[in-house]
Parts: sequence; structure tokens; C-alpha cells
Amino acid sequence: GENVEQHPSTLSVQEGDSAVIKCTYSDSASNYFPWYKQELGKRPQLIIDIRSNVGEKKDQRIAVTLNKTAKHFSLHITETQPEDSAVYFCAADTGRRALTFGSGTRLQVQP
Amino acid sequence: KAGVTQTPRYLIKTRGQQVTLSCSPISGHRSVSWYQQTPGQGLQFLFEYFSETQRNKGNFPGRFSGRQFSNSRSEMNVSTLELGDSALYLCASRTGPPITDTQYFGPGTRLTVL
Repeated sequence: GENVEQHPSTLSVQEGDSAVIKCTYSDSASNYFPWYKQELGKRPQLIIDIRSNVGEKKDQRIAVTLNKTAKHFSLHITETQPEDSAVYFCAADTGRRALTFGSGTRLQVQP
Repeated sequence: KAGVTQTPRYLIKTRGQQVTLSCSPISGHRSVSWYQQTPGQGLQFLFEYFSETQRNKGNFPGRFSGRQFSNSRSEMNVSTLELGDSALYLCASRTGPPITDTQYFGPGTRLTVL
């Protein structure tokens, strides 16, 4: 089955700096890669996603890049703000209409 | 539209008991997926229902089961509870079968097994 590895597990940055979270996946048939943000005590929320026919996607301060050959994808957050502090999860579709999630990255933005 | 709702929000049970959790999807969403979230294992897929049929199942023992009703509401049941079943159980709904449809999560049910 699909295996998704996510690094780092924790990330601390200064406000205004950039943050990068990386994920690798094992199933070359995976075609859909969403990213979720989960604030403390709240439900996960989709923040951005990318499909295999696209190499990069941006939404304001958030961008995701995908390298299908190397089977890895990354989340980039620029100009970080304290409200970006949360746990971020990457995921990949298993080809069976399910998602396999990474283990999560706890991002802390220091004011 | 109202978001995904789950009841109850908190549950405390003892080993050996069984429990039923409920999920009401966003109106118009016909696919409901269930996930178990624990600090050690992260978010793990349990199963997915679409049009009252289980379409997909994760690697969980048969003690974990579910169903979906004609109004798309879903329930999951865990029988013979074990200490390791303590977790946050999240359901998520989306419009249809494609995994690329945006999934919206509920607030979760926190289950504690003593």
C-alpha cells in the first residue's frame, strides 16, 4: 500500500521567514496530493492540493511543488505569521479513493 | 451550508464495551470517510461509504464497522473496546466518489477507553 513520509516533525521559524515541509510517497500511481492544516483542538482543513499533471500550484502565501519522478512534494509558506502555527499534514491518494496521510509537522511561528 | 457534524463529541468507555459514533455530512455530500487520529499513528483511514455501500476499507480489525443511511448520515461502531482504541475519530464528507473532491472534516469524537 501507499506510504507517505513527512519531514520535519517539528519546525520553528521567526515571523516573516519561510517554512518548507517535505513529503515523499511510495506509490507511483498516486495522482492527488492535498495538504491539511489542523489548529490545536480543531478539525483538519484543506489548504491546498495538487494533481499529478501540475508541477506547482500557488495560493497567496502558500505553494506546493510536486516532483513525480522523485515521488516527493513540498509545502512552502512564505512570510509566515503567528496564525500559521498549526500541525500540517500531507496526503496522497492510494488509487483506491482513500488518502494516506503523513505523520504531520508541527509548525511554530515565533512573533 | 452547515458543516460536518459528529456526535457525541466526547465518550468514555471501559474495555470490552462497544460504542457507536455518528456523522452527519454536509448537505448534498454523499461520500463519508472515517479516520482514526492518534498521537503515535497520525491520521489513519478506516473506511469510506458512498450511497449506503462501503467502497473502501483501511487496515483495521473487524471490530471496526460502519454503515451509511439513505440520507448519507453515517455511523461507525467499535465492538469489544481495547485501550488502544482511545483516539480522536474524525469523519469527512465530500460530494462524490472522486478522491479529488474536497474533503471536509467534522470536529471529531474523542473516545477514551479505560
